Amino acid sequence: AQSVSQHNHHVILSEAASLELGCNYSYGGTVNLFWYVQYPGQHLQLLLKYFSGDPLVKGIKGFEAEFIKSKFSFNLRKPSVQWSDTAEYFCAVNPPYGGATNKLIFGTGTLLAVQP
Amino acid sequence: GAVVSQHPSRVICKSGTSVKIECRSLDFQATTMFWYRQFPKQSLMLMATSNEGSKATYEQGVEKDKFLINHASLTLSTLTVTSAHPEDSSFYICSATTSGGTIQETQYFGPGTRLLVL
Repeated sequence: AQSVSQHNHHVILSEAASLELGCNYSYGGTVNLFWYVQYPGQHLQLLLKYFSGDPLVKGIKGFEAEFIKSKFSFNLRKPSVQWSDTAEYFCAVNPPYGGATNKLIFGTGTLLAVQP
Repeated sequence: GAVVSQHPSRVICKSGTSVKIECRSLDFQATTMFWYRQFPKQSLMLMATSNEGSKATYEQGVEKDKFLINHASLTLSTLTVTSAHPEDSSFYICSATTSGGTIQETQYFGPGTRLLVL
């Protein structure tokens, strides 16, 4: 079945460590890709998105993601995490077909805990 | 930024009763609203897409007669869980996009509604 996979369910890092969260999708064709973040007790909010162009996308709060089409991947990175980055991170894909043009399919999420 | 609210934030009801959840875009007009469901430790699962003034489009496996969606205005969509059962207990989240409804429009998410059916 077509899906969005986040292999890391729970990540624990110390402050200043580098972060990379994996996201793979199985849809063919042109997809639009997103990373959302949910801080404790808050709404989901958009971190960054990729539609086309430069495959290295920069988002808010120092996050970036790289789209590698051949690997069907859109991994999220941050060179140095802070305690305030503790949150749950969701990768999402806008598939190229079916229904609403802005439909999102979410991965299972990765819970990041940053230790001070 | 754009704000989406949901009401109620949590609700407990008896099995067999119906529950209505509201999703409002507070400072923008939302042509399209989405309803998601999230089980514990799982991802958001899209239930349906709601366009103002037209019938909602449901995802495969979602019972449209059980989860009634109404999007009567550009700022309000409602999800009614009819004849709720314990297995309907979940976290329901809505999102809204500004007028246009294309993927370039950011989806703004509500805070979610936790439903517990006894």
